[in-house]
Amino acid sequence: KAGVTQTPRYLIKTRGQQVTLSCSPISGHRSVSWYQQTPGQGLQFLFEYFSETQRNKGNFPGRFSGRQFSNSRSEMNVSTLELGDSALYLCASWPGGLGTSNEQFFGPGTRLTVL
Amino acid sequence: AQKITQTQPGMFVQEKEAVTLDCTYDTSDPSYGLFWYKQPSSGEMIFLIYQGSYDQQNATEGRYSLNFQKARKSANLVISASQLGDSAMYFCAMREGNTGGFKTIFGAGTRLFVKA
Repeated sequence: KAGVTQTPRYLIKTRGQQVTLSCSPISGHRSVSWYQQTPGQGLQFLFEYFSETQRNKGNFPGRFSGRQFSNSRSEMNVSTLELGDSALYLCASWPGGLGTSNEQFFGPGTRLTVL
Repeated sequence: AQKITQTQPGMFVQEKEAVTLDCTYDTSDPSYGLFWYKQPSSGEMIFLIYQGSYDQQNATEGRYSLNFQKARKSANLVISASQLGDSAMYFCAMREGNTGGFKTIFGAGTRLFVKA
């Protein structure tokens, strides 16, 4: 069974641009969560999607948005990039429903650098 | 508020010895899950072990075991027979919520160094 995949693995953007990151969960997993990891703030929860609906959201500005498609693949978008958005963006997937496996697996991450 | 505390920024252990990484958590939700992840320098988060709040037995996965003390709200990771490849950052995490939405929060991490 394939693991969680994220594309692209590396991105370099300039301030003011926007970026879209993609995450394909493990087959059969319906929940996809996104996290931002920085040396200063650690791992912070961005949002969770389940069956194409955003179920939960962390404390990030509206420039951070996402969506999930019917095949459970998810995209995350950051508009008007700021230097502070430079980070490793991780997505994680798990089945997502009560009574299912609780194991949550992460993708390799997308390292975003904003210049 | 939900909180995960890892009090050991760095730990050293001799190869082949056991090591315990500490984690305490705080939640008012009776239903939650606790995770440990390993993050090597490559950046990938590797799932190690899971413990549900209602699980009676401590979780074990190979050389990893989770010492779950619910009343003390602690979920320490024990790695037996440490190997050089165990050198990495280790994160404790807690997921809580319900079908209305789940959220996982992470501790600050413990960097483990395994000495030959």
